[in-house]
Order: sequence, then structure tokens, then C-alpha cells
Amino acid sequence: KQEVTQIPAALSVPEGENLVLNCSFTDSAIYNLQWFRQDPGKGLTSLLLIQSSQREQTSGRLNASLDKSSGRSTLYIAASQPGDSATYLCAVDRDDKIIFGKGTRLHILP
Amino acid sequence: GAGVSQSPSNKVTEKGKDVELRCDPISGHTALYWYRQSLGQGLEFLIYFQGNSAPDKSGLPSDRFSAERTGGSVSTLTIQRTQQEDSAVYLCASSPRTGVNEKLFFGSGTQLSVL
Repeated sequence: KQEVTQIPAALSVPEGENLVLNCSFTDSAIYNLQWFRQDPGKGLTSLLLIQSSQREQTSGRLNASLDKSSGRSTLYIAASQPGDSATYLCAVDRDDKIIFGKGTRLHILP
Repeated sequence: GAGVSQSPSNKVTEKGKDVELRCDPISGHTALYWYRQSLGQGLEFLIYFQGNSAPDKSGLPSDRFSAERTGGSVSTLTIQRTQQEDSAVYLCASSPRTGVNEKLFFGSGTQLSVL
């Protein structure tokens, strides 16, 4: 059974710092991995999708990496801003089930 | 529509009543997912539709939960004889699913409160 773990559960960093969020999964036979952002009381917004054959994806200040063999992914946020404060979730896709981690609650301190 | 639409946005019901939650996916999206998010928890997978069929219903928590999709579009999630532990945000997502690498698009969810 696929399990997705995100560490840390919560993180506070000063504005302007670079930071890394971690995601691990137990079954490496995945189609892809997605990183999402969730703002309070809202649905999820997909940030990046990494296909199983890819090593990383970049969008603006965000860079996501994937090491499928070790079951790990990281989301790197450069030059953090207060508007980046949200919960970040990773999800792995296999066999028509997309399984989510519990998320990392990120707070950027102005 | 422009995005995934869910209704109602909030639902308060009494224990033992039935509730029906609706999801209207993005036009043309063949894949539709239902998730449940309890307070402080991650997303719990409930069910997935490809077109009108649901290949795997094992994520539904109990036989009080059922879901259907008609015309390859709108889906309804029905909870019979609601219990307090059913209180959660129910999220719906859709995807084009033309391949295996398509992003998910989420609705804003239905906040269900069972008193």
C-alpha cells in the first residue's frame, strides 16, 4: 500500500530565505508526482508535476526534484515571500489512485 | 465552466440524515476524483471515475457512502445516515486524463458539518 510522508509538518522561515520541503513515498512504481498548494479554506492548486521519467521541474521560484528509486521528492522555494505562506502537499499517481501526503504548513515571517 | 464547481459550499445536517454533494468538473475532463479532508489531516482518497465508471470503490469508508457520475460530467457523492465522524471537507478534482501525466484541478470543496 502506497504511503506518502511529508516532513516537516510545519515550518516557519524569515522572508527572503530559500527553503526545502520533503516528500517520501513507499512504492516507487509511480506514474508521476505532483506538488500542490492549499490556502486556508480553499481547494488545492497544482504547482508542478514531475513525470516518472523526469528528474526535476521548474516554475519561477519553485523547483521540484524526483528520485524515484529512493522514493523521495523535494520542493525548493527560492527567495521566499509572505505570499508563499500556505500548506504544500505532494501526491503520487499510480493505478488511477492519487495518494496525498498530509502536507507541510509553511509560514513566511515578514 | 471555467473551473471545478462544487455545491453546496457548506452543509450542516443532523445525525442520521442523508446528504448529497455535487461536483461539476471542467468541461471535457474524463477523470473525476473525490477526496475527504478532515481537520488537520491530509486528503483521504474516496473514489475515482473514468467517464461514468468507477474502477475502484475500495476507498469509500463504509456502505453508507456511494457515488455516481452520469453523462461523463456531473458527479454526486451521497452519504446516508450521516454520523458525526463524517464531518469534513469533501473535495472534488478533475483531469483530462488523456495520458497518465495530467494535472489535477480541484474545486473549493463542500464543508460538511454533522451535528
